[in-house]
Amino acid sequence: NAGVTQTPKFRVLKTGQSMTLLCAQDMNHEYMYWYRQDPGMGLRLIHYSVGEGTTAKGEVPDGYNVSRLKKQNFLLGLESAAPSQTSVYFCASSLINSGDQDTQYFGPGTRLTVL
Amino acid sequence: GQNIDQPTEMTATEGAIVQINCTYQTSGFNGLFWYQQHAGEAPTFLSYNVLDGLEEKGRFSSFLSRSKGYSYLLLKELQMKDSASYLCAGAGAGSYQLTFGKGTKLSVIP
Repeated sequence: NAGVTQTPKFRVLKTGQSMTLLCAQDMNHEYMYWYRQDPGMGLRLIHYSVGEGTTAKGEVPDGYNVSRLKKQNFLLGLESAAPSQTSVYFCASSLINSGDQDTQYFGPGTRLTVL
Repeated sequence: GQNIDQPTEMTATEGAIVQINCTYQTSGFNGLFWYQQHAGEAPTFLSYNVLDGLEEKGRFSSFLSRSKGYSYLLLKELQMKDSASYLCAGAGAGSYQLTFGKGTKLSVIP
């Protein structure tokens, strides 16, 4: 099993450009999450999904959109990138939700720089 | 939102024991996770406490007191490879979200 994979690993964008980050998991997990991690801020939840075809907002959703068309994939889109979106983005998945003692497994991260 | 507080940095000597503390508002969470994150890598799961008390797993142990809003991670027989950030995260009952602390960067020195 590959676990949770993310593409790309690195990306540099200019302000106003768009891009999509792809997350894939092969563990048949129901729940998937997108986080961003910034120095001194910790991990913050952007959006999450509790199953195929569903998405919901997390703590910092502005400027991002997501889609979960297939159970194994969770896409994060930036329609018009801004320098404030420079960050490391982590995708995670869990079998059930964390309040029921299940563990979130993280992908390797995507380092995004917006100039 | 709920705050989770943990020290920013700690230094300890190889072979020693170190305790990393985490405090939170008692009404916020149903359980506490601890994750390890090496520089430039993804967080990896270490432990989960939902009941009060100590959970031991090899060199790592985690403790929770729900009434005090307090948890700690205890690392024994420190090794150089234990140099990493340690993230405390609270899980709400029935919630899909984890709330992470800012992490404690542990440096293990010879």
